Amino acid sequence: GAGVSQTPSNKVTEKGKYVELRCDPISGHTALYWYRQSLGQGPEFLIYFQGTGAADDSGLPNDRFFAVRPEGSVSTLKIQRTERGDSAVYLCASSLKVAGDNEQFFGPGTRLTVL
Amino acid sequence: AQSVTQLGSHVSVSEGALVLLRCNYSSSVPPYLFWYVQYPNQGLQLLLKYTSAATLVKGINGFEAEFKKSETSFHLTKPSAHMSDAAEYFCAASRGVQGAQKLVFGQGTRLTINP
Repeated sequence: GAGVSQTPSNKVTEKGKYVELRCDPISGHTALYWYRQSLGQGPEFLIYFQGTGAADDSGLPNDRFFAVRPEGSVSTLKIQRTERGDSAVYLCASSLKVAGDNEQFFGPGTRLTVL
Repeated sequence: AQSVTQLGSHVSVSEGALVLLRCNYSSSVPPYLFWYVQYPNQGLQLLLKYTSAATLVKGINGFEAEFKKSETSFHLTKPSAHMSDAAEYFCAASRGVQGAQKLVFGQGTRLTINP
């Protein structure tokens, strides 16, 4: 079976531009998470969805960041007016249900570079 | 707020030697604890998890970890290192209560295996 997929694998953009990062979770997984991993650091939580709704968006750094999951499957992370500090690997994960001990399956990530 | 600390950003061992990667958590309530491995250009893969059952947890690839509440630790070990173990290792925690399923990661430990 397919794992979590993320597209694009690499994205280079210029400061001030808008970008969208896509995540396809494992089929049937109800929970979907976004994390950001800066160079030399562990992943940091951004937002998670239970179904279509954002259950916790406390990790979004500011209002330039937004994420949607309109049909409860694919999710898109949207970043407006990108800044050089947004450069990082954006990781998506999904789990079968929302529970603290549930394994989260990670995608390979999207490497975002803002010039 | 919950935090996870990994002692040593780089660990180097000889092939066949014991691997010990350290992880401490800070939480008034013992959380669920996880070890993930990240190979270059790949997603995070779960090695093992502690969910309040047995304190000694066995995972994949010969790794195991022991939960010690008195020391707030969850160190990862492997008796004999293989070259294929070279990777980045992350310890993570989640609270396991409603609304707190996000993972909090340590900063990671890069494991190098010397022939």
